[in-house]
Order: sequence, then C-alpha cells, then structure tokens
Amino acid sequence: DSGVTQTPKHLITATGQRVTLRCSPRSGDLSVYWYQQSLDQGLQFLIQYYNGEERAKGNILERFSAQQFPDLHSELNLSSLELGDSALYFCASSVEQGAANEQFFGPGTRLTVL
Amino acid sequence: GQSLEQPSEVTAVEGAIVQINCTYQTSGFYGLSWYQQHDGGAPTFLSYNGLDGLEETGRFSSFLSRSDSYGYLLLQELQMKDSASYFCAVTDYGQNFVFGPGTRLSVLP
Repeated sequence: DSGVTQTPKHLITATGQRVTLRCSPRSGDLSVYWYQQSLDQGLQFLIQYYNGEERAKGNILERFSAQQFPDLHSELNLSSLELGDSALYFCASSVEQGAANEQFFGPGTRLTVL
Repeated sequence: GQSLEQPSEVTAVEGAIVQINCTYQTSGFYGLSWYQQHDGGAPTFLSYNGLDGLEETGRFSSFLSRSDSYGYLLLQELQMKDSASYFCAVTDYGQNFVFGPGTRLSVLP
C-alpha cells in the first residue's frame, strides 16, 4: 500500500459523458501527478500539481482538466468522453516536485467508455 | 519531440544478471527515471539519474550517459518476483515526463 488513494476503482460510462476521478496523496506529499495508461498509447504523463498550483503539463487533452485543492487532494475531470479514453488512470504523489523525488502511485482508476 | 527505445522483452534465469537498455531522443533533457510495474499493479519508482554515472540501490543499479543519450537498468541476483515490466522515463526541464514503451522481463526458474 503506497498511501495514495484513488476513487473510484472502476468506472463505466458512455461516450459524450463527463467523469471525475479523485486522488488523495500520501500524508505530507505536496506534489500530485496524473498518468494515463492504455494498451496502444502506453504510460503517458498528463499533468502535475504542486501545493495547489499547476507545475507541468504533458499530453493532456483539452477535454481533460485537473486541479489540486487546498487539502492537497486532486481531481481529474474528463469530459466529452470518447471510446479511446478508456484506460487506467494513475495518480502519484511525492514530497516535493522534481523528477528526482520518488513518486508513489495509487492503485489506479479503470475507466471504460462504451 | 521526444522518443525512447527499450527492448520489448527480456528473459533470464533466477540468480542471473540482466541489463535493460534505454536510448532516448529529447530536447531539454533533465534526467532519466526507471519504474517497475507488475501485471495488474501500479508503477513503482526504482531510481533516478540526473548526472552521468551509476546509481546503486540494493540489487538494482541504474546508469546514465548524457553524451550518448543512453541509460540502463541493471538487475542482479534475479528473483522470480522481478518478473514485471520496466519503464524508463525521460524528464525535461519543464518537468514533463515521457515514458518508454516498456520492457517485459520474464525470470525463469
């Protein structure tokens, strides 16, 4: 158990819908990262927050948005869902920002878009 | 853009040593990380190299050569539990992460 929690574990929805994925980082961690993992695209970095502020942006679609709240939990919002958005979405956290800091991954949310 | 190459599969026997290579093309290279992922599990951070040379953590070591745009993960005294996928990831100065396609390691008894 990494100490990072993600809800829900599984999510099944239809194309065109909007969903929100939630992540609670390890106690004391200020940085949160979001990743998408699918069979055809592999593991992709989406976005990083540090202490409530966006710090890095990867291959995140405009239909996707995220935020980190004052209590440091984070949410990833996916809208106008398409079949290709079906994937595992991981959240990770680290004490500080920067690649040298060990990231601890949550168990992931499996999103299925029908 | 950025691209990384890793072997798709590697097989070795218990107790052996295996090296997983990673070559990358990137602008604004900052560092190279390695992650392990067991089937059905989440990635686990293994190591980070920001400077050239070898970093050792127990049975695992990671090496970086910035001039060759190359790194490797070395796993010693292989155990069955090391069977997993291993990903290298490049970080740029914007703290953007780009992952390689992953190497599936199978450890045989």
